[in-house]
Amino acid sequence: EAEVAQSPRYKITEKSQAVAFWCDPISGHATLYWYRQILGQGPELLVQFQDESVVDDSQLPKDRFSAERLKGVDSTLKIQPAELGDSAMYLCASSLDGAVGYTFGSGTRLTVV
Amino acid sequence: DQQVKQNSPSLSVQEGRISILNCDYTNSMFDYFLWYKKYPAEGPTFLISISSIKDKNEDGRFTVFLNKSAKHLSLHIVPSQPGDSAVYFCAASANYGQNFVFGPGTRLSVLP
Repeated sequence: EAEVAQSPRYKITEKSQAVAFWCDPISGHATLYWYRQILGQGPELLVQFQDESVVDDSQLPKDRFSAERLKGVDSTLKIQPAELGDSAMYLCASSLDGAVGYTFGSGTRLTVV
Repeated sequence: DQQVKQNSPSLSVQEGRISILNCDYTNSMFDYFLWYKKYPAEGPTFLISISSIKDKNEDGRFTVFLNKSAKHLSLHIVPSQPGDSAVYFCAASANYGQNFVFGPGTRLSVLP
């Protein structure tokens, strides 16, 4: 069964350091999303790509977060510098047609110390 | 300002009984709704969807009901099984499948 691959699964970093997460969507899925889920809350959208173009990054804290999907396939989300409040699960999802639901990866659990 | 609310953080149900998870929304422009299930250390898994032109959608043990006038939807699981124990998220979109907004989730525990 096709799946969205994310790495690493877990990341511990010190505050003020840089950290990066990688996502490989299901083959052929043009739409890719990065979500952040803080413990006890629902996922919130950070950025949405359609192929290599950013469709929505209105909720992305652009002073420290950046995302790219250079060839319209895999994507990288970077945080620099990391802050304590960035500790969360970072989820990547992809879809062919958002109406039938996204497929999420297993996420990267980030802990900033 | 939470547009999608799941007011019950947790719910416990006996195996074999019905589980009813509720979701309320405030944005009348939402026209598509999804339910996701999430196990610990895994990403959410799509369960069932409903568009605003319907009031009910059924898939096996899972049924979603939509009451547009009340801006309320619910997920019914019957019969509930221990494997259904997970966090359930309601999500809504105002753009037919784009930019889903998620609720905070309800943790369901199905007791054997």
